[in-house]
Amino acid sequence: ENVLTQSPGTLSLSPGERATLSCRASQTVNSRYLAWYQQKPGQAPRLLIYGASIRATGVPDRFSGSGSGTDFTLTISRLESEDFAVYYCQQYGSSPLAFGQGTKVEIK
Amino acid sequence: QVQLQVSGPGLVKPSEPLSLTCSVSGDSIIRQYWNWIRQSPGKGLEWIGYIYSTGSTDYNPSLKSRITMSVDTSKNQVYLNLKSVTTADTAVYYCARAVVGTYSDYWGQGTLVTVSS
Repeated sequence: ENVLTQSPGTLSLSPGERATLSCRASQTVNSRYLAWYQQKPGQAPRLLIYGASIRATGVPDRFSGSGSGTDFTLTISRLESEDFAVYYCQQYGSSPLAFGQGTKVEIK
Repeated sequence: QVQLQVSGPGLVKPSEPLSLTCSVSGDSIIRQYWNWIRQSPGKGLEWIGYIYSTGSTDYNPSLKSRITMSVDTSKNQVYLNLKSVTTADTAVYYCARAVVGTYSDYWGQGTLVTVSS
């Protein structure tokens, strides 16, 4: 099983700042099969990124994904008020599919 | 626009089975994969498994012995059955469209299932 570890657990930033979220896998993620989701309280997760770096439909270009192998990053270039939420990575290159434990981006 | 609605009992007694229905609108379930994912209160996301419209499945080994997923293409619905629940199964249960059995691009709103006597 490919275990994903996200860091930091919580990121305290101000609007306009840059956010860098990390997702590290215990084994190589096949073919960059890594997705990122955003979840706000009381809502279902929303797909942001798939294929490690491809933005889903309607996702603003301030969100970008990068990485390969075991190390992946989600970057939010300039935080807007609606971006404060919890972010999860998910690998889908091997079964069982697995999520990281999440990174909370909170207002400083 | 694809919409998914999960329905089922909000309260289940320990050792009893849990049955959930995911009703899909705006798209056909045929020739597509459908994920079930759950989230315990205040916790992260756990992949339960997926089912393809033909009925083929892939389950999380941690739950495999207790899970059955099925589909009814005539009703455009997907089903999850979980046997012998315990309090550890208390969670919000989501269904989601899985792109080729992988990441989920459309999610239902989720339903909270509480396991309690």
